[in-house]
Amino acid sequence: EAQVTQNPRYLITVTGKKLTVTCSQNMNHEYMSWYRQDPGLGLRQIYYSMNVEVTDKGDVPEGYKVSRKEKRNFPLILESPSPNQTSLYFCASSLATGGSYEQYFGPGTRLTVT
Amino acid sequence: DQQVKQNSPSLSVQEGRISILNCDYTNSMFDYFLWYKKYPAEGPTFLISISSIKDKNEDGRFTVFLNKSAKHLSLHIVPSQPGDSAVYFCAASDAGKSTFGDGTTLTVKP
Repeated sequence: EAQVTQNPRYLITVTGKKLTVTCSQNMNHEYMSWYRQDPGLGLRQIYYSMNVEVTDKGDVPEGYKVSRKEKRNFPLILESPSPNQTSLYFCASSLATGGSYEQYFGPGTRLTVT
Repeated sequence: DQQVKQNSPSLSVQEGRISILNCDYTNSMFDYFLWYKKYPAEGPTFLISISSIKDKNEDGRFTVFLNKSAKHLSLHIVPSQPGDSAVYFCAASDAGKSTFGDGTTLTVKP
């Protein structure tokens, strides 16, 4: 089954404790992206990757890191999480870069930083 | 400055009637516009898209209209069904960057 998987689905952590949210897709998609969604707001793009070893900042990259060492994986790293990073995170992938290609989203990771 | 705006947080319509969801944008560089639908506890799923060089795209019950001069697009759902009840996001694309609106919660009443 074609899908985007994220782990963990739920995470409660403390301020400053490094964490990684994994994202993997099995569709051989070139493009991957991370978003966060806060209550009453839309999805805001954190980082995106147009291909292996190619990443770029979205609208809200502060406090996050990403890497794209393999085509299928695009982990999101929070080196020193803070409470304002409490949010719902979505990973997405699409066949290629370009607006004509729809994005396939993972189920989301709900992160709470205390 | 929010580049993609959905000014109606919610919309309620009767089953069988038309649902019209609106979206405004400010960035002329957007080349594609997409609509996504989201159910609770799930990721968004793609619904329909339109290129900035087109003014209409239709897929079954869903039609998207683009008015480039007004920087406005709308999604029409005809006829609306209770299963269409969800949050609808308008998204705009500029190369690799995607900008989403805040969403409109559509409720279709039986």
